[in-house]
Amino acid sequence: LAKTTQPISMDSYEGQEVNITCSHNNIATNDYITWYQQFPSQGPRFIIQGYKTKVTNEVASLFIPADRKSSTLSLPRVSLSDTAVYYCLVGSPLTGGYNKLIFGAGTRLAVHP
Amino acid sequence: EPEVTQTPSHQVTQMGQEVILRCVPISNHLYFYWYRQILGQKVEFLVSFYNNEISEKSEIFDDQFSVERPDGSNFTLKIRSTKLEDSAMYFCASRPGGGDTEAFFGQGTRLTVV
Repeated sequence: LAKTTQPISMDSYEGQEVNITCSHNNIATNDYITWYQQFPSQGPRFIIQGYKTKVTNEVASLFIPADRKSSTLSLPRVSLSDTAVYYCLVGSPLTGGYNKLIFGAGTRLAVHP
Repeated sequence: EPEVTQTPSHQVTQMGQEVILRCVPISNHLYFYWYRQILGQKVEFLVSFYNNEISEKSEIFDDQFSVERPDGSNFTLKIRSTKLEDSAMYFCASRPGGGDTEAFFGQGTRLTVV
């Protein structure tokens, strides 16, 4: 499984765009990049997943450069309720990489009024 | 929207006692997981289960732990003889399978060992 590195914490203000970058230098050809969000005392929640280029859904965008050695989760116009821990995971669901779903320390995002 | 449900939400037990944490994964999902999170720490993988057997387990998942899918709907985690350090939130998750990477987590069971 590819190791991931994220900033430990970030601060932002309501209404701003937040970009959280994850490094995964050893990503394998079959690996996907998945982001989860966790609020205090709750289970992680899937946000978005991608393989290359850009993916967008109703809550976030995921930017993946051509070399796929990093990815950036973009949260547009954050609100106080986006305060959470964000985890980047890398693995392949087709080759057993998702048998473990290893979570790193994540990025603790604090959104201020 | 289908969800993973866990019971109980909070369990207090005495050291040395056996506990069983219960989970009902989403129907038709094929992969099942147990994780734990000690207060203030990261989410730690315990075990994954597929096709009625353990597919992966971590070093944490020693002989004191066991999992079972007794009736095709429930997925249980048993801790045989609890220790103080087993106090944590325990999360169950399930995933559809194949190329679908989204895992759905339950709300967790807070286990307190006294």
